[in-house]
Amino acid sequence: QVQLVQSGAEVKKPGASVKVSCKASGYTFTRYALHWVRQAPGQRPEWMGWINAGNGNTQYSQNFQGRVTITRDTSATTADLTLSSLRSDDTAVYYCARGDNNRWYFDLWGRGTLVTVSS
Amino acid sequence: EIVLTQSPGTLSLSPGERATLSCRASQSVRISYFAWYQQKPGQAPRLLIYGTSNRATGIPDRFSGSGSGTDFTLTISRLEPEDFAVYYCQQYDRSPLTFGQGTKVETK
Repeated sequence: QVQLVQSGAEVKKPGASVKVSCKASGYTFTRYALHWVRQAPGQRPEWMGWINAGNGNTQYSQNFQGRVTITRDTSATTADLTLSSLRSDDTAVYYCARGDNNRWYFDLWGRGTLVTVSS
Repeated sequence: EIVLTQSPGTLSLSPGERATLSCRASQSVRISYFAWYQQKPGQAPRLLIYGTSNRATGIPDRFSGSGSGTDFTLTISRLEPEDFAVYYCQQYDRSPLTFGQGTKVETK
């Protein structure tokens, strides 16, 4: 079954970091890109960055000012998002989503991971 | 950054009616780099249309997309009960990828 399975909900304090994991199955992991998209309550989705699962190249949205790191493990077929220096407005559902390496629309999504930032 | 503005914010229609959703971009977007998604409460977005007019796998033909330049449209020819949801447009022509603010299609 083609799917992306994400790690569970997290609660973090301001200033901390969070790591969210995404495990891919049912397709050839290295042929696609994995993107991270977040969505705050009642807001539009916001793209954070992506990784080419084949060669490991990454690109990040400048809107996160260096706070985002995306890595992948080809043997485990996982991609991880790390977001540092958390603030309350980072509270959101974080999704991993599969994309083609050349066309960045998302044909497969994880169910999302709720990250709550609260003191 | 390309800003996408969707209209209307809410569309109140009855099953069987036609829905026309608009998305306007702040800069021109190549037609191969535009998509539409559907999202229901508590779920991830689902890809409907990519490359402006190509239906994703398993999407019924009552969904169609069109447009060019800065103006794009998603049409649902006859609304089914399962189509009442929020719809987002997305451009992937230039980084950062961006989404519209959404159009909610609700039951009249």
